[in-house]
Amino acid sequence: KQEVTQIPAALSVPEGENLVLNCSFTDSAIYNLQWFRQDPGKGLTSLLLIQSSQREQTSGRLNASLDKSSGRSTLYIAASQPGDSATYLCAVRWGTYKYIFGTGTRLKVLA
Amino acid sequence: DAGVIQSPRHEVTEMGQEVTLRCKPISGHDYLFWYRQTMMRGLELLIYFNNNVPIDDSGMPEDRFSAKMPNASFSTLKIQPSEPRDSAVYFCASSFGGAEKLFFGSGTQLSVL
Repeated sequence: KQEVTQIPAALSVPEGENLVLNCSFTDSAIYNLQWFRQDPGKGLTSLLLIQSSQREQTSGRLNASLDKSSGRSTLYIAASQPGDSATYLCAVRWGTYKYIFGTGTRLKVLA
Repeated sequence: DAGVIQSPRHEVTEMGQEVTLRCKPISGHDYLFWYRQTMMRGLELLIYFNNNVPIDDSGMPEDRFSAKMPNASFSTLKIQPSEPRDSAVYFCASSFGGAEKLFFGSGTQLSVL
């Protein structure tokens, strides 16, 4: 069964800290993987999309890496800010156009 | 572009009533997805369309749920009759090509009493 897991479920860090969010998935034959941000009461915003042939993607202070062989992706956030506080979800697509989502990591950055 | 537009933002109804959720995808996007989000089950794909044609509805929980996409700029998700366990946030998302980024609407918070 294809599953996506995110640990930890919640994380609280002081402002300025660099942090890593983890996503693991079963079945390494993925098509691509996306990281999303969700603010309370809002929809999801795609942050980074990594195709299966790529190792990493970067956007500003965010860097996402992909290791298919180990079934893992990490989202690195540099110099965290209170505005980064949100829930971060990863979603994996296998052969079909279905994305399976993890349950997310709720991040709180303390000022 | 205004992004993916969903209506209503909130819907409160009584058990047994019909509920219709609406979605306008981003212009030019050829894929449209309906998701449901609950605390217990997270985000689940209900159905998706490609060029207005339903491709996979295996996530639709029961026959009480139906979805249509009469044209490229409009889709509906209907629940009839509604039940309290249908209470959730329903999201619509669209993309250009199935391999590209998903763009989500703000969701409809459905409460069935």
